[in-house]
Formats: sequence, C-alpha cells, structure tokens
Amino acid sequence: AQSVTQLGSHVSVSEGALVLLRCNYSSSVPPYLFWYVQYPNQGLQLLLKYTTGATLVKGINGFEAEFKKSETSFHLTKPSAHMSDAAEYFCAVRGRGQNFVFGPGTRLSVLP
Amino acid sequence: DTGVSQNPRHKITKRGQNVTFRCDPISEHNRLYWYRQTLGQGPEFLTYFQNEAQLEKSRLLSDRFSAERPKGSFSTLEIQRTEQGDSAMYLCASSLLAGEVDTQYFGPGTRLTVL
Repeated sequence: AQSVTQLGSHVSVSEGALVLLRCNYSSSVPPYLFWYVQYPNQGLQLLLKYTTGATLVKGINGFEAEFKKSETSFHLTKPSAHMSDAAEYFCAVRGRGQNFVFGPGTRLSVLP
Repeated sequence: DTGVSQNPRHKITKRGQNVTFRCDPISEHNRLYWYRQTLGQGPEFLTYFQNEAQLEKSRLLSDRFSAERPKGSFSTLEIQRTEQGDSAMYLCASSLLAGEVDTQYFGPGTRLTVL
C-alpha cells in the first residue's frame, strides 16, 4: 500500500523568498515520485518526477526536488518565489504496476 | 499536440439524473485514466484503460458509474442516478506506456454539481 502526506495545507511566502513544500511517502515497493501543480479551474501540470538515477530532480519553472530514501521524503523547493507560483501543489507516489496515489495538496500563496 | 481535452467543463444536474462526460486523450497515448477530485483534496483514482481494455476499477467506482473507451481513443464516464455526493471535479489523464513508468498528462476537468 502507498500513501502520501504533505505537511502544511497552506504555505505563504514572500515574493523572492525560498519555497519549500514538504512531501513524505510510504511505499512497499521502490517508488516513483511526482510533483504536480494545479492552477484554479485547471487540470494538473507535471512539474517534475523521480524514477531512478539522480536523486536531485530539476523541473519546470525553476523547481527542484530531492528524493531521500532514508527519510522517505521528496520535498519541493524553489530558490526565489514568483507571484505566478501561487497555486495548489500535489505530491504523488506510484509503485511499479500500481496506480497513482496523490497527497492532499498544499496551497502556496506568494505575498508581494 | 493539443493536450487532453474534456467536455463539458461544467455540468449542473438534478439529483437522480444521468450525466456523461467525455475525454479526448493526447493522440497515440495508449493509457487513459479517470480521477475524482473533491474540494481541498488530491485526485482519487477511479479507473484506467490500456487501449480499449478497462484494466482496473477503484472501489470508489460504484455500480452507478460506468466508463468506456471504444476503439481505444476517446473515453466516456457516465454516472447514473446522480447523488449530491457525486459533486466533484472529474479529471481525465492520458499517458504513453513506454518503459517502467508512464507520465500522466491531465485535462482541465469537468466540474459536476448535483443539486
């Protein structure tokens, strides 16, 4: 069985500040991990994914995430927040041959 | 490549009515997924197809729900005798299975409101 927890349903940062969105997972098999972003009234857009290999993954819009097996974490970061980053962010886990399990999401607000 | 499209974008219906949603995947994607998303929650898996075969259904998919993907192209999701608890965003995603893991691309969703 797989599950995802996202610490903090709502995170606020100032424009230009570091963005850190937390994701912890549990999986009985080696996980594939994903971060998606959802803007209001839109579908989910893939930010980045980890499958195998390098544990630091770079995605679109300046986001990156690091897979830490020992901590069962896949936190999402961005060095400098932009107003356009305000959205809902979802972490998801998938094991080989298994379906996606999404976390509850974290709403990011960026303050001017 | 125009992405995944879903129609309608919004549907308001009265309890007890039947509704049908359509999803057009990215061309040549062999997998198609349906999810339900309620306010403040992440998407929950409902079912998926590989080509025209429906390979898995979630326990969330009651007998009132049926999905089809004729000819392995577009898909429809029908809800019969709608209930207020069916109000949600219904998301479709498609992917091309090549290798160990496929990346899902989502459509904009159909928001259902049951009065």
